[in-house]
Amino acid sequence: DAGVIQSPRHEVTEMGQEVTLRCKPISGHNSLFWYRQTMMRGLELLIYFNNNVPIDDSGMPEDRFSAKMPNASFSTLKIQPSEPRDSAVYFCASNDFGAGGPGELFFGEGSRLTVL
Amino acid sequence: KQEVTQIPAALSVPEGENLVLNCSFTDSAIYNLQWFRQDPGKGLTSLLLIQSSQREQTSGRLNASLDKSSGRSTLYIAASQPGDSATYLCAANTGANSKLTFGKGITLSVRP
Repeated sequence: DAGVIQSPRHEVTEMGQEVTLRCKPISGHNSLFWYRQTMMRGLELLIYFNNNVPIDDSGMPEDRFSAKMPNASFSTLKIQPSEPRDSAVYFCASNDFGAGGPGELFFGEGSRLTVL
Repeated sequence: KQEVTQIPAALSVPEGENLVLNCSFTDSAIYNLQWFRQDPGKGLTSLLLIQSSQREQTSGRLNASLDKSSGRSTLYIAASQPGDSATYLCAANTGANSKLTFGKGITLSVRP
């Protein structure tokens, strides 16, 4: 398996622009997570999905952030409008949550966002 | 609310030394605990996953232990090498639907 695939790897944009980050989870995994990592705050969970349904979006900073998972193999995280303080590395991760509980979590390589 | 702490934030050791990285968590009702490695500019790579019913897991030179009652986990690295230099994060999985809480990580430097 190719692992969790994220795109783009790097994004530089200007304040006010819309940013869309994409993620393809590992095939067969039923849970998908979006994290944000900064030096100041470390890793923060933004939102996670189980069977394509958003379960907990309490980590989403504000209404400018939205996430969707239209099917089991694709998710997007959108920021509109973007602000300089959104600059961070955004990670997508997936695992399989079954009868035995949550399985091992696998991360993508991340999308490094810079908002000027 | 689960809180995960990793102290110290940074560690520097000479090559060949055996070392222990510590992780503590406040809520002992965890499903599992996972250790990750992160190299600069890269994503997180899973090293070991310990289920709540287990006491330890081993992979090569790595051994992770779990003591739920005391809220502690350790990652033991045997015969450290410069290639082990990275940031090591632990994460506790609490509650339904796989919600992981991460520590801030320990940045390890192994000197040749």
